[in-house]
Amino acid sequence: AQTVTQSQPEMSVQEAETVTLSCTYDTSENNYYLFWYKQPPSRQMILVIRQEAYKQQNATENRFSVNFQKAAKSFSLKISDSQLGDTAMYFCAFTYKAAGNKLTFGGGTRVLVKP
Amino acid sequence: DSGVTQTPKHLITATGQRVTLRCSPRSGDLSVYWYQQSLDQGLQFLIQYYNGEERAKGNILERFSAQQFPDLHSELNLSSLELGDSALYFCASSEVPVPDTQYFGPGTRLTVL
Repeated sequence: AQTVTQSQPEMSVQEAETVTLSCTYDTSENNYYLFWYKQPPSRQMILVIRQEAYKQQNATENRFSVNFQKAAKSFSLKISDSQLGDTAMYFCAFTYKAAGNKLTFGGGTRVLVKP
Repeated sequence: DSGVTQTPKHLITATGQRVTLRCSPRSGDLSVYWYQQSLDQGLQFLIQYYNGEERAKGNILERFSAQQFPDLHSELNLSSLELGDSALYFCASSEVPVPDTQYFGPGTRLTVL
């Protein structure tokens, strides 16, 4: 079974600082995608960033970047220049070809950005 | 705005009742997914449809069923409701049913009293 683990239930960061969220996954698949979704207090699930396993280059989206370590099955998210609007739950998610795109989620990390 | 719509936003009902949650995917997306988010179970995949046909099933109870209609909208039917069914139900869509980005709707919050 595929599992996704987020070991940090909660993190806080000062505005403008950097925070890194960890995610590890367990799979024997080779063709898979990893995602980070953000869920603010509004409860909407918003895609932050995605990484295809076959790509060696780490994905970047503005202030968000990932450190994808395929051998270690690790997929961390770095939020740079944190803003108050980054306060949210962050979920790491995984899917693979044979799963038909169904997502398996980690338990989430709550991020609080302090002014 | 993801382009995925869900109705209703909130639903309050009693145990034993039946409800229907509706989802319209983004324009052009053929695949629809349903997820349940509860405090004790986290985010769990329920079921997936692609172009009207069921493609994958997750931890969906027998009391729950879904379908995707020819116009691609989908409905999730929950029957014989129990207190434990109270949760946020998300619909997501993607263009194809292979590894790809899913876009989530705003969710329907179901409260069973």
